[in-house]
Amino acid sequence: GDSVTQMEGPVTLSEEAFLTINCTYTATGYPSLFWYVQYPGEGLQLLLKATKADDKGSNKGFEATYRKETTSFHLEKGSVQVSDSAVYFCALSPDGGYQKVTFGIGTKLQVIP
Amino acid sequence: GAVVSQHPSRVICKSGTSVKIECRSLDFQATTMFWYRQFPKQSLMLMATSNEGSKATYEQGVEKDKFLINHASLTLSTLTVTSAHPEDSSFYICSASASSGGGRVAFFGQGTRLTVV
Repeated sequence: GDSVTQMEGPVTLSEEAFLTINCTYTATGYPSLFWYVQYPGEGLQLLLKATKADDKGSNKGFEATYRKETTSFHLEKGSVQVSDSAVYFCALSPDGGYQKVTFGIGTKLQVIP
Repeated sequence: GAVVSQHPSRVICKSGTSVKIECRSLDFQATTMFWYRQFPKQSLMLMATSNEGSKATYEQGVEKDKFLINHASLTLSTLTVTSAHPEDSSFYICSASASSGGGRVAFFGQGTRLTVV
């Protein structure tokens, strides 16, 4: 079945540091890939998505590129802020997000001033 | 964007009692909603698919008599944890898909932290 593997964390970075959260997936066909973010006390919010190979999703300074050859969708940000502290979930959906979503374990990011 | 509202955000109940969690799509109609559960240090796992006007579809290993799902309208699905026990303590979250940016995206509620004492 489909699965998503991401680094467990927690990841602690200083403000303005470079962020990478690795994510790899296993799926049949051509799934859509997502990064969701969960801020403390809130629900999941879509951060970015990519629907086909070589697509780059971006939002709020975060980027991730759909790499089919390595089955990866790593999340990056050039300069993190304290406000980026949250849990980040990598996820996939086989049909563009219409049906169920398979999640990674979530990576907690803590940015310190 | 689309908004999914979940209530309550936190609930503490005594062992043996039942708890109802509501999931509403505020600005769109959702014929299908999904219920997930997240145990500590584990990923979100799909429990069931809630279908408006018909029975829910449960994932393998999820007790349908314990986790009752009702999808009575196009904007409301409820999850009732019956005869709750401490092992049911978890984070429950619902989602519904809606059109976004030319495709469809799952929008999530805020989640419900259930603690059974």
